[in-house]
Amino acid sequence: QLQLQESGPGLVKPSETLSLTCVVSGGSISSNTYYWTWIRLPPGKGLEWIGNVYYSGNTYYNPSLKSRVTISVDTSNNQFSLKLNSVTAADSAAYYCASHRGGSSQIDFWGQGTLVTVSS
Amino acid sequence: QSALTQPASVSGSPGQSITISCTGTSSDVGAYNYVSWFQQHPGKAPKLIIYDVTDRPSGVSNRFSGSKSGNTASLTISGLQAEDEADYYCCSYTTSITWVFGGGTKLTVL
Repeated sequence: QLQLQESGPGLVKPSETLSLTCVVSGGSISSNTYYWTWIRLPPGKGLEWIGNVYYSGNTYYNPSLKSRVTISVDTSNNQFSLKLNSVTAADSAAYYCASHRGGSSQIDFWGQGTLVTVSS
Repeated sequence: QSALTQPASVSGSPGQSITISCTGTSSDVGAYNYVSWFQQHPGKAPKLIIYDVTDRPSGVSNRFSGSKSGNTASLTISGLQAEDEADYYCCSYTTSITWVFGGGTKLTVL
């Protein structure tokens, strides 16, 4: 079964770019089975779908974040990444990477999550 | 896109059944049978408990069941147990080729 692990800075300054990476093990990121997904949980709020990427590089983003988000896949290192630019305190959250099985609503494997705080 | 609407909290006693609703629109919940439910304990990653409205992943208790009518999906937990106390989120595909979560429901087992 898949295992996912997020990594990246836990503290980002306002107006800068948040960058996270998710390493996938137990399967190939080049598989046509999954959409590789980022989801976040702001403190005291609910889950928010950020977007996903297919192995081909096709991406789909939350309209509310689309102008600031880039999700990309790195097949050579079996990982995918999230970049969110021009961050504010409202972007402080636990960020999760996950695998979403295509053709269904199964978001079945999740990373443990990484807490990112936006503060100067 | 607007978050799906869930009750902020529900509660029940051990052994009882509870139902959590998830209301969307004809552009998300009502459009497809692509609704999933997640259980999240504090400090843990969400866990998939229902997908495609009614299906349960392997290993998930049959005390969890899902349904949908029109623009509203529902999660029912029967035979409540103490370990069911958690936050629950619904999620739906949308006609914009995106996914949207509900605001979350805190379940308290009395």
